[in-house]
Amino acid sequence: QSALTQPASVSGSPGQSITISCNGTSSDVGSYDLVSWYQYHPGKVPKVIIYGVTERPSGVSSRFSGSKSADTASLTISGLQAEDEADYYCCSYSKEDVFVVFGTGTKLTVL
Amino acid sequence: QVQLQQWGAGLLKPSETLSLTCAVSGTSFNNYFWTWIRQPPGKGLEWIGRVSHDGVTDYNPSLKSRVTISVVTSKKQFSLMLTSVTAADTAVYFCARVPFNLYYMDAWGKGTTATVSS
Repeated sequence: QSALTQPASVSGSPGQSITISCNGTSSDVGSYDLVSWYQYHPGKVPKVIIYGVTERPSGVSSRFSGSKSADTASLTISGLQAEDEADYYCCSYSKEDVFVVFGTGTKLTVL
Repeated sequence: QVQLQQWGAGLLKPSETLSLTCAVSGTSFNNYFWTWIRQPPGKGLEWIGRVSHDGVTDYNPSLKSRVTISVVTSKKQFSLMLTSVTAADTAVYFCARVPFNLYYMDAWGKGTTATVSS
């Protein structure tokens, strides 16, 4: 079971919007609405920002939104802020016996 | 407030066994999967496996032959054992909570760094 594919890095200026893609397969992203996204500041603890493809946990800014089309999930961050600079990982349930597969991770730089 | 407090040996020699424990508080122990995840230096997150409150386990096939995850429900603790470690097992190890049927990690331990070196 390979990891889900994400761009290694994305960047944007404060106030802009960026989108991070997460490419999976029909065994994971394409078959289940069980995609989650995590924000991970180095040295800290990953924090879930999206679950169930589009749901935001209580307390997470509405600037974060998720979507899915076929085998690809996406995370959009609008109104970029300096504190959004972090690593972002997607994650999906998989029908393969690995059960859970993470994305390769994307480093977001706020210029 | 949900808390996951984890501990275990941080420095191991090749072929030794990594042992970590995670204690859960502020939450029911039922209705969740209790999960271990790791991040090797410079690499991404990797799901290791999970256990339910009644001891049902699932493991990442790439680690299955070396991993055991166990639970002590009365203490609200679960543990990870990884045998025959090599340098490739050097990583930050996290414990996490996963609600049944939702498959996302909604609470995490602070992470434990395990380093394998001769």
